[in-house]
Amino acid sequence: QSALTQPPSVSGSPGQSVTISCTGTSSDVGSYNRVSWYQQAPGTAPKLMIYEVSNRPSGVPDRFSGSKSGNTASLTISGLQAEDEASYFCSSFTNMRSFVFGGGTKLTVL
Amino acid sequence: QVQLVQSGAEVKKPGASVMVSCKASGYSVTNYYMHWVRQAPGQGHEWMGIIDAGDGSTSYVQKFQGRVTMTRDTSTNTVFLELSSLRSEDTAVYYCARGRALNSGNDLNFDYWGQGTLVTVSS
Repeated sequence: QSALTQPPSVSGSPGQSVTISCTGTSSDVGSYNRVSWYQQAPGTAPKLMIYEVSNRPSGVPDRFSGSKSGNTASLTISGLQAEDEASYFCSSFTNMRSFVFGGGTKLTVL
Repeated sequence: QVQLVQSGAEVKKPGASVMVSCKASGYSVTNYYMHWVRQAPGQGHEWMGIIDAGDGSTSYVQKFQGRVTMTRDTSTNTVFLELSSLRSEDTAVYYCARGRALNSGNDLNFDYWGQGTLVTVSS
């Protein structure tokens, strides 16, 4: 199962919105609403930000939102804050009854 | 509150085995699945497999079949990953991550992660 494709980096200024894409195939993202997004700062454990494409766990700000169209899922962060600077990666359930992850995207807040 | 605390860093020689533990607190492991995920230096995360900590059944990624074993000790609320026949490509940070609740209808997987365990394979 190949990794999901994410842009290596994105950037935005405080207050702006950024969107990170996560492209898979009809065997994973395109077939299941089981896409999740994670935030990971260097040297720390990942934190779940979005699950089932667009659901936020309790405690995650509503500035974080998720969506999906076809084989591509997206994470949008609105009202960027300095504390959002981190790496973000996605995951999806697959038709092999396994999970596949994206390569990660480094978000820089300018 | 839910916490997953993993064992410390390991340095192993090629061909050896390593066992990583993941002790849960704040919930009973027997009510949830547990995933194991690894991240090699400079690479993305890789799912290794899952254990139903209720009955101990497992499902492993094909590439690790024959080398990986996931187990649990309900008396200590701990889940274990053992990887054998280690090679340099196995050098990575290994994470446990809580899966969804058994008999749950949602897909709330990977909601809590351990702090990671660095396994270095070097001669």
